[in-house]
Amino acid sequence: NAGVTQTPKFQVLKTGQSMTLQCAQDMNHEYMSWYRQDPGMGLRLIHYSVGAGITDQGEVPNGYNVSRSTTEDFPLRLLSAAPSQTSVYFCASSYLRNNEQFFGPGTRLTVL
Amino acid sequence: KNQVEQSPQSLIILEGKNCTLQCNYTVSPFSNLRWYKQDTGRGPVSLTIMTFSENTKSNGRYTATLDADTKQSSLHITASQLSDSASYICVVSGDDMRFGAGTRLTVKP
Repeated sequence: NAGVTQTPKFQVLKTGQSMTLQCAQDMNHEYMSWYRQDPGMGLRLIHYSVGAGITDQGEVPNGYNVSRSTTEDFPLRLLSAAPSQTSVYFCASSYLRNNEQFFGPGTRLTVL
Repeated sequence: KNQVEQSPQSLIILEGKNCTLQCNYTVSPFSNLRWYKQDTGRGPVSLTIMTFSENTKSNGRYTATLDADTKQSSLHITASQLSDSASYICVVSGDDMRFGAGTRLTVKP
């Protein structure tokens, strides 16, 4: 099992550009989520999904979109990148929402 | 507001020494509390889970305690090793999950 995979590992964008962060899991988990991690702060939930076709907003959803067309994939889209979105992004999955989260290796994003 | 506070923010200890990390929370209702270890440049990995009825749980050299009455948890690391250098994150679950900011532990030779 590969677990949770994320691509790319690093990305530099210019303000206003758009991009998609990819996330996939091979554990047949229903729950998937995206977090951002900033220095001195805990992981903050951006969006989550409790199953294919179902997504919902987390704590900091503005500027991000998600979709869940399959159980395995949960991409995160930045619509128009802003410097405030410079962060490390983690995708996670679990059987249920409050179960142990399995995290991907993260994507370090810099917006200039 | 549901919050999770961890202390200290950072800690430096010598290899072989013990240390204790603290987590205080106000999350309600309470379902469980997990401690995660996050190595530099990697995603967090679960170390232990504590439910309401559990006071102590061990995972090798890691021992977690929970006092649900005072809403406090601690993670004790025994005989530290260089590989223990990491951030340790307390996560409390209730209606949703709340993450602490973490304690950055550095173990020096």
